[in-house]
Amino acid sequence: GAVVSQHPSWVICKSGTSVKIECRSLDFQATTMFWYRQFPKQSLMLMATSNEGSKATYEQGVEKDKFLINHASLTLSTLTVTSAHPEDSSFYICSAGSGVIDYTQYFGPGTRLTVL
Amino acid sequence: GENVEQHPSTLSVQEGDSAVIKCTYSDSASNYFPWYKQELGKRPQLIIDIRSNVGEKKDQRIAVTLNKTAKHFSLHITETQPEDSAVYFCAAYTNQFYFGTGTSLTVIP
Repeated sequence: GAVVSQHPSWVICKSGTSVKIECRSLDFQATTMFWYRQFPKQSLMLMATSNEGSKATYEQGVEKDKFLINHASLTLSTLTVTSAHPEDSSFYICSAGSGVIDYTQYFGPGTRLTVL
Repeated sequence: GENVEQHPSTLSVQEGDSAVIKCTYSDSASNYFPWYKQELGKRPQLIIDIRSNVGEKKDQRIAVTLNKTAKHFSLHITETQPEDSAVYFCAAYTNQFYFGTGTSLTVIP
């Protein structure tokens, strides 16, 4: 099946620094990728929809200047958490589908961000 | 927008028994309903899905039913095994995925 990777899998950073998370579709092209945030024992919260070649669509309440998304190619989307604070500590997961008609989403393994 | 509700939030069953998890949705335009299994610290894995033009789908011990009129769909796991223990999420898709709140399933050996 299709594979989505994320890097890094775990990052610890100091408050005020920026962290970039990469999401790659390894064996298919993804026009659209989704970024989710997941708190412990909770569901997936959609943060934004990343569209290749255009601006990301952010969900209500998600600060676009804080969570910068770049979908530069059909296989790569990046999420940058700028000026991270402890409250940004969370599990970030991306997903990608292989086409408009095929709704099947493949999830990345997630990135655990800890901000000290 | 779409609102997906999932019940129960926790479920314990004896090994070999069946488990049923139910989800309701609000947007009649939703046309795709996947179910994901997520083990602790790992990515959600698609286990079964159903399109709006189908009422039931089965894959070995797992089945999903969809009632479009009532706007609800259910996951059925038969002959449960300890390795089925995980958190299960339902989702409904219109122009994005809306996830249920999850069900923590524990299968007791």
